[in-house]
Amino acid sequence: NAGVTQTPKFQVLKTGQSMTLQCAQDMNHNSMYWYRQDPGMGLRLIYYSASEGTTDKGEVPNGYNVSRLNKREFSLRLESAAPSQTSVYFCASSVYEQYFGPGTRLTVT
Amino acid sequence: SQQGEEDPQALSIQEGENATMNCSYKTSINNLQWYRQNSGRGLVHLILIRSNEREKHSGRLRVTLDTSKKSSSLLITASRAADTASYFCATADSYNKLIFGAGTRLAVHP
Repeated sequence: NAGVTQTPKFQVLKTGQSMTLQCAQDMNHNSMYWYRQDPGMGLRLIYYSASEGTTDKGEVPNGYNVSRLNKREFSLRLESAAPSQTSVYFCASSVYEQYFGPGTRLTVT
Repeated sequence: SQQGEEDPQALSIQEGENATMNCSYKTSINNLQWYRQNSGRGLVHLILIRSNEREKHSGRLRVTLDTSKKSSSLLITASRAADTASYFCATADSYNKLIFGAGTRLAVHP
């Protein structure tokens, strides 16, 4: 099992560009999550999906949209990237404990 | 805003010593979880303690939970250089949404 996979691993965007971060899990988990981690801080929840077809806002949803494409896949979209969105993005899935992907390091210039 | 606050922010010890990290939180919880993050990597789940539990062990890890004080501690016994990492506590609500603290950076020196 691959667990939770994320693509891409690294991305550089210019202000105003858009992109989609992809996440997939092969553990048949219902719940999936997107977090961001800024230097010296813990993770902050952007959006989560308790089950296929549902999504809800987390602590810092502004500037992001998500799609729960099916049970396996949960994507995060930045419509118009801003320098404040420079961060490391982690996807996770869970039953109780959460399993994390390796992260996407995003820089917005 | 972050729910949990870890203390200390950084901890430096020698191999073989014990490391204790503390976590305080603000609201009622369903469970509390501890995670480890090696530099530049994703988080790895270590242990989960439910709100009706007071202590839990896993290998060299011991976690306590005091819901009256809204605090938890993680003890790593007989530390190894490979334990060098950042450690985060996270509180979970009934939907298993996690709120993370800022973490404790542990350095274990050979």
